[in-house]
This record gives sequence, C-alpha cells and structure tokens, in this order.
Amino acid sequence: AQSVAQPEDQVNVAEGNPLTVKCTYSVSGNPYLFWYVQYPNRGLQFLLKYITGDNLVKGSYGFEAEFNKSQTSFHLKKPSALVSDSALYFCAVRGSYSGGGADGLTFGKGTHLIIQP
Amino acid sequence: NAGVTQTPKFRVLKTGQSMTLLCAQDMNHEYMYWYRQDPGMGLRLIHYSVGEGTTAKGEVPDGYNVSRLKKQNFLLGLESAAPSQTSVYFCASSYGTPDYNEQFFGPGTRLTVL
Repeated sequence: AQSVAQPEDQVNVAEGNPLTVKCTYSVSGNPYLFWYVQYPNRGLQFLLKYITGDNLVKGSYGFEAEFNKSQTSFHLKKPSALVSDSALYFCAVRGSYSGGGADGLTFGKGTHLIIQP
Repeated sequence: NAGVTQTPKFRVLKTGQSMTLLCAQDMNHEYMYWYRQDPGMGLRLIHYSVGEGTTAKGEVPDGYNVSRLKKQNFLLGLESAAPSQTSVYFCASSYGTPDYNEQFFGPGTRLTVL
C-alpha cells in the first residue's frame, strides 16, 4: 500500500518570506511524486514532478521541491512568497511497484497555504 | 484549447434521483479520471479509463458508473443518489499513465444530495 502525509493542515507565511509545505510518503519501489495547487473554486493545476534524477525539482510559478529518499520526503518550497500563492496544495505519489494501471496515484489531504501581506 | 470541461457546474439532487456528469477534453488524451473531493480527505479516484471503450474501478467506485464511448468524453453516472455522494467531482485527463504524466483537471462539479 502507498500513502502520503501532509502533516500541516495550514501554513501561514508573511509575504516575501520563504515557504515550505511538507510532504512525506510511503511506497513500494521507487516513488513518482507530484505537487498540485488548487485555487478557490478551481480544479487542480500541476506544479512539478519528480520521476528520477536531480533531487531538486523546479516547477511553475517559482516553486521547487526537494526529494529526500532517506527521509521519504518531498517538501515544496519557494524562496519568496507572494500573496497570490495562497491556495490549497496537494502532494501525490505512486510507487514503481504499484502495477501498470492508471490507478494508484495517491493524493494527500492537502495543505492550505496562507500568505499574509 | 478549452482543456478539460465539466457540465454541469452545480447540481442539487434529491435522494434516489439519477444524473450524469459530463467531462470533455480536447487534448487527445488517452487517460481520463473521475475523482471526488471531500473536506479533509484529499482526492479519491472513483473510476478511470485508459482509452476509448475501456473503464476501470478506482478507490471508491460504489454507487457510480462510467462510460467512455468517445475518446474525448468521459461520463459519470449516479443511478440512485445518496447524501453520502454530496461532494465536489473533478474530471481529469492525461496523455499517458499517471506516474509519468501530469493530469489536467476540469473546474469541478459541486453536487448536493438532499
């Protein structure tokens, strides 16, 4: 079985400060990891993914994520937060031993990111 | 490109009524998905399709049926709605398997079952 944990329901950051949204995972085999963002009353939008290679992945809107295999983490980061970054962020994972089907991408419960002016 | 569109955007049903949610994508994607989003539970996969004419069950398929008669459309049906099916429903599509390929999401359908 695979699982994703986003330990914080909400993260508050002042505008201009760095932000981190945490994600840890458990999978069989190698992990395929994703971050999605959801703005109010909208569908999810893809931010970035880790499949293999460099542990630091760069994505949309200045976001990046750091893959740490030993800590089974994939934290989302941004050096300087903007008010417009306020949204709901989802981490998702699939393990390489999950089989060849299209199911099996497990989403976390989401973290509300609030950037205060 | 409209991307992924969903109709309707909102719907209120009475217990026992039926309805169909329509999802359409214009990106020629093979894979399509239906999710439900409930507070504090993230997204859960209801059904998915890996191509025209194929469907498969996801994590929470009970009470739902789907059809993929055309590549660009993926329909989600509720035969006899229950209050437990009150949720926000998202359709998504991807070019290939969800481990390598990002999913594109529609704007969602907010369904209330009374």
